[in-house]
Amino acid sequence: EAGVTQFPSHSVIEKGQTVTLRCDPISGHDNLYWYRRVMGKEIKFLLHFVKESKQDESGMPNNRFLAERTGGTYSTLKVQPAELEDSGVYFCASSLTGQAEQYFGPGTRLTVT
Amino acid sequence: QKEVEQDPGPLSVPEGAIVSLNCTYSNSAFQYFMWYRQYSRKGPELLMYTYSSGNKEDGRFTAQVDKSSKYISLFIRDSQPSDSATYLCAMSGVGGFKTIFGAGTRLFVKA
Repeated sequence: EAGVTQFPSHSVIEKGQTVTLRCDPISGHDNLYWYRRVMGKEIKFLLHFVKESKQDESGMPNNRFLAERTGGTYSTLKVQPAELEDSGVYFCASSLTGQAEQYFGPGTRLTVT
Repeated sequence: QKEVEQDPGPLSVPEGAIVSLNCTYSNSAFQYFMWYRQYSRKGPELLMYTYSSGNKEDGRFTAQVDKSSKYISLFIRDSQPSDSATYLCAMSGVGGFKTIFGAGTRLFVKA
């Protein structure tokens, strides 16, 4: 069974540009999560989808971040415009309904210059 | 004060040693406790999962949760060089499963 996949693995963009990250959860997992790890800090929760609905977006840092999950399958996280402090590794995770165990993707390393 | 405290290490042990990793937390609402292993440039890999208090064993790994002390532990027996990685404790409450992570402990097992 395929795990959580994320694309791209690495993105380097200039301040002010737009970047879109993609996550494909494990097939059948209705729950999808986004997390972020910035340099020297813990992995931090960004938001949680149940199917196509946002269950909890309390961790989204500001309105430059937009997450979508149309159709309840894959999800995208758009950063527009990107700032230097957005640099970090963005992880996606998924889980089955009612299960606390989350399975993580390999992450997208975002560098904003 | 952070919700989850974890010593970042590094922790260096000889091959075959018993490794003890631990975390403390402040939020009594946490019910689910996880340990993840993360190799360099990879995503966190779920290692152990425990609900509420108690012990859980899986091969060389044992997870312990003491909710009265707000303290969780991961023990690795007969440690191997391949166990060298960062170990992250993580926990969540009921409902949405928003997961809070510790800083991660960097472990080195020397052959």
